Amino acid sequence: EDQVTQSPEALRLQEGESSSLNCSYTVSGLRGLFWYRQDPGKGPEFLFTLYSAGEEKEKERLKATLTKKESFLHITAPKPEDSATYLCAVRVGSNFGNEKLTFGTGTRLTIIP
Amino acid sequence: DSGVTQTPKHLITATGQRVTLRCSPRSGDLSVYWYQQSLDQGLQFLIQYYNGEERAKGNILERFSAQQFPDLHSELNLSSLELGDSALYFCASSVGQRANYGYTFGSGTRLTVV
Repeated sequence: EDQVTQSPEALRLQEGESSSLNCSYTVSGLRGLFWYRQDPGKGPEFLFTLYSAGEEKEKERLKATLTKKESFLHITAPKPEDSATYLCAVRVGSNFGNEKLTFGTGTRLTIIP
Repeated sequence: DSGVTQTPKHLITATGQRVTLRCSPRSGDLSVYWYQQSLDQGLQFLIQYYNGEERAKGNILERFSAQQFPDLHSELNLSSLELGDSALYFCASSVGQRANYGYTFGSGTRLTVV
């Protein structure tokens, strides 16, 4: 069974204190790893897609990296507005159909001013 | 505004009742996905439709059903509701059958079963 595990469950950082969130996965035939941001009471917002080991993507203070077994979301010099739950998801399956994303339970990030 | 519209935003109903959740995908998107999010289980995939046809199915209960109409909006029907069905229900959409660039999520319907 496909599994996605995120750690830590919750993380509190001072403003400007850099850190990393982890997403480890056990799947057969990874066809993409996705990062989303979710604010309370809202739907997840797409951040990145990574497809192959060694790939990196950046957006403002966020950088996502991928290895064969895990992905990291690095946050550099975070600001209070970066506070949110960060979700990792994997896409598996055939080229046709079976398009579900399997999500982890997320890391709740709080940035303290 | 993500472009994916879900109605209603909140729904309170009694056990045993039936409700219908509605989703309008982002303009141009042909795929619609339904997810359930509860506190203890995170986002769980329910079902995917592409251009009116069912494409993938997750752990959707037999009491739940969905469809996608010719105008591409989708409805999720939940019947014989139980307390454990209380959750956030999200709809998401993508252009094609494959979510290469991720889904676009709506803001969800919060269902409370009392």
